[in-house]
Amino acid sequence: EAGVAQSPRYKIIEKRQSVAFWCNPISGHATLYWYQQILGQGPKLLIQFQNNGVVDDSQLPKDRFSAERLKGVDSTLKIQPAKLEDSAVYLCASSLEERGAQHFGDGTRLSIL
Amino acid sequence: SQQGEEDPQALSIQEGENATMNCSYKTSINNLQWYRQNSGRGLVHLILIRSNEREKHSGRLRVTLDTSKKSSSLLITASRAADTASYFCATDWNFNKFYFGSGTKLNVKP
Repeated sequence: EAGVAQSPRYKIIEKRQSVAFWCNPISGHATLYWYQQILGQGPKLLIQFQNNGVVDDSQLPKDRFSAERLKGVDSTLKIQPAKLEDSAVYLCASSLEERGAQHFGDGTRLSIL
Repeated sequence: SQQGEEDPQALSIQEGENATMNCSYKTSINNLQWYRQNSGRGLVHLILIRSNEREKHSGRLRVTLDTSKKSSSLLITASRAADTASYFCATDWNFNKFYFGSGTKLNVKP
């Protein structure tokens, strides 16, 4: 089966600019996650979708981050405006079951200048 | 914080030796998962162990869970250079809230 697809692979922007990341989960996976991974740390959950509904967004900085999963398939994560501390790898994952094994994409490495 | 934390932070061993890493957490969980991450890549799921299970095996991997001590361990037997990676535990608590620890960086020397 095809894995989780993410794009772009790398992105460099200046602070205060906006950026968007795209994720296409494994076909049939109802649960989709976005994580932020800062260098040297473990992934931090930003938002979790079950189909196109939000299950948990308690750690999403809602003043600048937004995410949507229209039609319950692919998803986009947006940052506007970006801050220097947003430099990180943004990982998307999907799972077949709500509490099951998660399958990760290779992430988008974001650098803020 | 409900976050699982791995110990040690870094581990360096020779090929063929066993590697053991531990994960501790703070609250009751539904399940605990272990993942591997190679440099510059996404995480790869290794094993999921449920709160009512005590041990699981997958190939050269053995995971134990002690809910009374709120801890888990991952044992990699007969390690190989290809096992060099960071290993994370993820705890699932309070209806699907997932927390990853900071990871153990394993270096297997050939």
